[in-house]
Amino acid sequence: DAGITQSPRHKVTETGTPVTLRCHQTENHRYMYWYRQDPGHGLRLIHYSYGVKDTDKGEVSDGYSVSRSKTEDFLLTLESATSSQTSVYFCATTGTSDNEQFFGPGTRLTVL
Amino acid sequence: QKEVEQDPGPLSVPEGAIVSLNCTYSNSAFQYFMWYRQYSRKGPELLMYTYSSGNKEDGRFTAQVDKSSKYISLFIRDSQPSDSATYLCAMTYSGGGADGLTFGKGTHLIIQP
Repeated sequence: DAGITQSPRHKVTETGTPVTLRCHQTENHRYMYWYRQDPGHGLRLIHYSYGVKDTDKGEVSDGYSVSRSKTEDFLLTLESATSSQTSVYFCATTGTSDNEQFFGPGTRLTVL
Repeated sequence: QKEVEQDPGPLSVPEGAIVSLNCTYSNSAFQYFMWYRQYSRKGPELLMYTYSSGNKEDGRFTAQVDKSSKYISLFIRDSQPSDSATYLCAMTYSGGGADGLTFGKGTHLIIQP
């Protein structure tokens, strides 16, 4: 358990509205990640962070932005949500080894 | 061709059987390999982590990596109904955390009591 919490756990929103998902970790790990999980696609990397204010894009970053102003928090923002962003979003951090990743409980987002 | 291929199942076996789960991959640059277990509506839970080729055992679980064949396996001995879940293989290129994981789509495993 890497001490990861995600909020909110569930959210329903409408197309065109902004949405921010929060990931919080208690272990002071350097790396943090956002993934989305969709049927038929598995888990795919959206963005990741390697330190405060240091972020980079993943495989499916279009339509998403991230911010990390504190080590413990990593925010994922959908500037204008679309129905294609309906998904389950998982945050992850590394553990004692930077090659192991541990996942949070997920946020289930529905965009109507 | 997707980078990581994994049979989605479902794979149904009787309790006590040995389970074999597999993934193949195309990119020879992958060096770190993981298996995750995911219960319905939960986050993935790291089961096994291996580096390069070889075997690693942890209790009833054995992870096997064959880099020459680009093939990884997870064996579960004495399977239990509580092992019923989706099993995800994942892999990454280099050390240091700067790479995200590339996942297979997962295999749905059912252990029949």
